[in-house]
Amino acid sequence: NAGVMQNPRHLVRRRGQEARLRCSPMKGHSHVYWYRQLPEEGLKFMVYLQKENIIDESGMPKERFSAEFPKEGPSILRIQQVVRGDSAAYFCASSPIGRGWTGANVLTFGAGSRLTVL
Amino acid sequence: TQLLEQSPQFLSIQEGENLTVYCNSSSVFSSLQWYRQEPGEGPVLLVTVVTGGEVKKLKRLTFQFGDARKDSSLHITAAQPGDTGLYLCAGNQENTGKLIFGQGTTLQVKP
Repeated sequence: NAGVMQNPRHLVRRRGQEARLRCSPMKGHSHVYWYRQLPEEGLKFMVYLQKENIIDESGMPKERFSAEFPKEGPSILRIQQVVRGDSAAYFCASSPIGRGWTGANVLTFGAGSRLTVL
Repeated sequence: TQLLEQSPQFLSIQEGENLTVYCNSSSVFSSLQWYRQEPGEGPVLLVTVVTGGEVKKLKRLTFQFGDARKDSSLHITAAQPGDTGLYLCAGNQENTGKLIFGQGTTLQVKP
């Protein structure tokens, strides 16, 4: 059973370029979450998606960032016109159940995509 | 915004020592999870605690969820160099299920 697959693992971009990060959830998981992590810090929630729907994007910057989870294919986190402050590790996680379930929503994380903006 | 405060932020100890990491909030969580993250990798779930007062043991690791479900602790007995890593607590918001992370505790265990 493949876990959560993220690619690329490392991405280098110059200021002003676009970054596209991909995430394939675990088999059977239809809920995807994106988190951002700065060095030696915790994870900051960005966006929660189900297939073809953005459920919660409250953690996503209003400009330059977008996310999608199409009916077919991986979830994509897209950062346009990258700036140095976008340099971070971006983690995708998936779960078989959604938020709002009054229990433990356990997420399985991918290995992350590390973006470096020069 | 609910916050989870983790302490200490950094911990460097000798092999064989015991340690405790704390995770505190003023808000109630429906459950709380502990993850361990190694450099260059994603967080890996260690345990989930759901019931107030719950204690779970995983070999030398003991996890406790506070009675009021606002805080948690991770105690490691006789730490080993293999325990080195970033330990993260994360709480499920009661109404939304949103998973909120603490800022993490970086543990270094020296041989």
